[in-house]
Amino acid sequence: QQQVKQSPQSLIVQKGGISIINCAYENTAFDYFPWYQQFPGKGPALLIAIRPDVSEKKEGRFTISFNKSAKQFSLHIMDSQPGDSATYFCASRGGLTGGGNKLTFGTGTQLKVEL
Amino acid sequence: GAVVSQHPSWVICKSGTSVKIECRSLDFQATTMFWYRQFPKQSLMLMATSNEGSKATYEQGVEKDKFLINHASLTLSTLTVTSAHPEDSSFYICSARIPTGGNQPQHFGDGTRLSIL
Repeated sequence: QQQVKQSPQSLIVQKGGISIINCAYENTAFDYFPWYQQFPGKGPALLIAIRPDVSEKKEGRFTISFNKSAKQFSLHIMDSQPGDSATYFCASRGGLTGGGNKLTFGTGTQLKVEL
Repeated sequence: GAVVSQHPSWVICKSGTSVKIECRSLDFQATTMFWYRQFPKQSLMLMATSNEGSKATYEQGVEKDKFLINHASLTLSTLTVTSAHPEDSSFYICSARIPTGGNQPQHFGDGTRLSIL
């Protein structure tokens, strides 16, 4: 079954702190792993993405760490700001033998950054 | 960057009516678009893959006759919720992917909140 498990369900971080969200997948055919940020009443917006042949990718304050052998990947938000308060979804793309371009989403993490 | 526009953003209608939602790719041609459904505080669930010029591919458990999808051009896909009932109330989101290159992500519209009275 193509599942993506995401944790924690909710997270409270102090301003300036590091927010860490974890995901685990089952299907080794997944070939692309994006993270999306969603504000209430809006569609998801792409934050950062990684392919399985790379162990880490950094864009500004956002970093993806990828562990192919463990089938896990995580999002780190450095210097978290109140404006980062949103729901974050990890996702995995099917790949040639795993569903093509379809995305399977994690269950979401509601992040709140407090002053 | 790539922009996907969805219309309307919010619709309220009576039970039994049909509602059409449009999804447009504004600055690129999308041979494939995706339709998702999202309940409050839950994740996105893929409903169907919309293919330009051919029939949509529906996910297991999604009623084809209930959720009609038409992808008549490279920039427009429509989702029609037929004979809508209160249980169809949800947040419907479309996405589109730039077809060239292997690492092109899906870009999402801002969703349509459908409320059936």
